Amino acid sequence: SQTIHQWPATLVQPVGSPLSLECTVEGTSNPNLYWYRQAAGRGLQLLFYSVGIGQISSEVPQNLSASRPQDRQFILSSKKLLLSDSGFYLCAGNPVNTGELFFGEGSRLTVL
Amino acid sequence: QQQVKQSPQSLIVQKGGISIINCAYENTAFDYFPWYQQFPGKGPALLIAIRPDVSEKKEGRFTISFNKSAKQFSLHIMDSQPGDSATYFCAVTDSWGKLQFGAGTQVVVTP
Repeated sequence: SQTIHQWPATLVQPVGSPLSLECTVEGTSNPNLYWYRQAAGRGLQLLFYSVGIGQISSEVPQNLSASRPQDRQFILSSKKLLLSDSGFYLCAGNPVNTGELFFGEGSRLTVL
Repeated sequence: QQQVKQSPQSLIVQKGGISIINCAYENTAFDYFPWYQQFPGKGPALLIAIRPDVSEKKEGRFTISFNKSAKQFSLHIMDSQPGDSATYFCAVTDSWGKLQFGAGTQVVVTP
């Protein structure tokens, strides 16, 4: 089965600093990959999804960007963090044409 | 645009009781309807899922009921246990495998 590795698990960053969250996938090739953000006690907001290397779709306009340099690597970045970027970030993936989404353990970002 | 609407936002049920969570969708192109369970500080995990060619699927104490004509599906947790306390998300999936989640329901099972 597919496994999603995500790091770092927790991160405290000052406003205006850069961000890089990394996600790697094991157990499948050419998966669809996703970045979600979850505010405290709230639902899952889809930020980006990718169907292949270099192919990124943004779901919401924001201060963040995503890249997929390799088939099983997905990176979430920001050049300058805002307070509103705080949240729980989840990487997820599913094999092509299957609905089961596998999630990583999440990265909790606090911007101060 | 919200593709799936989930209710209630929160639910308190006594141990042994039945928890019911409902979801409604608009797009008839969706072809896979999963439910995810999330414990605090963890990523969601697939609990149970159904395809639109069946009206019900049961796995242990968890049952999905699916009403294609009404474009609604629900999760029933029978004999609820304190270990079932979690946030539950319904989702809809299009033919490309892209998921959109409901807003989530926080379930608390009291001893």
